[in-house]
Amino acid sequence: GDSVTQMEGPVTLSEEAFLTINCTYTATGYPSLFWYVQYPGEGLQLLLKATKADDKGSNKGFEATYRKETTSFHLEKGSVQVSDSAVYFCALSDGGSEKLVFGKGTKLTVNP
Amino acid sequence: GAVVSQHPSRVICKSGTSVKIECRSLDFQATTMFWYRQFPKQSLMLMATSNEGSKATYEQGVEKDKFLINHASLTLSTLTVTSAHPEDSSFYICSAGGGQGYVEAFFGQGTRLTVV
Repeated sequence: GDSVTQMEGPVTLSEEAFLTINCTYTATGYPSLFWYVQYPGEGLQLLLKATKADDKGSNKGFEATYRKETTSFHLEKGSVQVSDSAVYFCALSDGGSEKLVFGKGTKLTVNP
Repeated sequence: GAVVSQHPSRVICKSGTSVKIECRSLDFQATTMFWYRQFPKQSLMLMATSNEGSKATYEQGVEKDKFLINHASLTLSTLTVTSAHPEDSSFYICSAGGGQGYVEAFFGQGTRLTVV
């Protein structure tokens, strides 16, 4: 079945450092790919998405490119802020359904 | 984007009682909603797919009689944890597709259930 493998954390960075969180996937079809963010005690918020190969999703300084050849969707940000501290989930949906398969999540802590 | 509201955000109940969690789509109609469970420091696991006007579809290993799902209208799905036990304590989150024009799912705020 479909699966998502995500870099496990926790990840601790200093403010303004560069962030990369790796994500790879396996899917039988042509999935849509997502990054969701979860702040402490809250639900999930969509951070960015990409629906086809070579698409780049971006939001709030975060970026991820849908790489079909490497089945990857790595999350990057050039300069993190303390407010970016959260848990980040890579996810896919396949076949046009909104049902999601999640990676295990990566906890990011950014120190001042 | 579409808004999904989940209630309550926190609930504490005694062992053996039942707890109902509501998930509402506020500005769109959702024929399908999804219920996830999140264990501490772990990912979200899909429990079931809630289908408006028909029976829910449960994932393998999820007890249908313990986690009752009702999707009686296009804007409301409920999850009832019956005869709750401490091992049912968890974070439960619902989601729904945003309808036409959206590929992503929108999530409720989540419910922290503690069974004592």
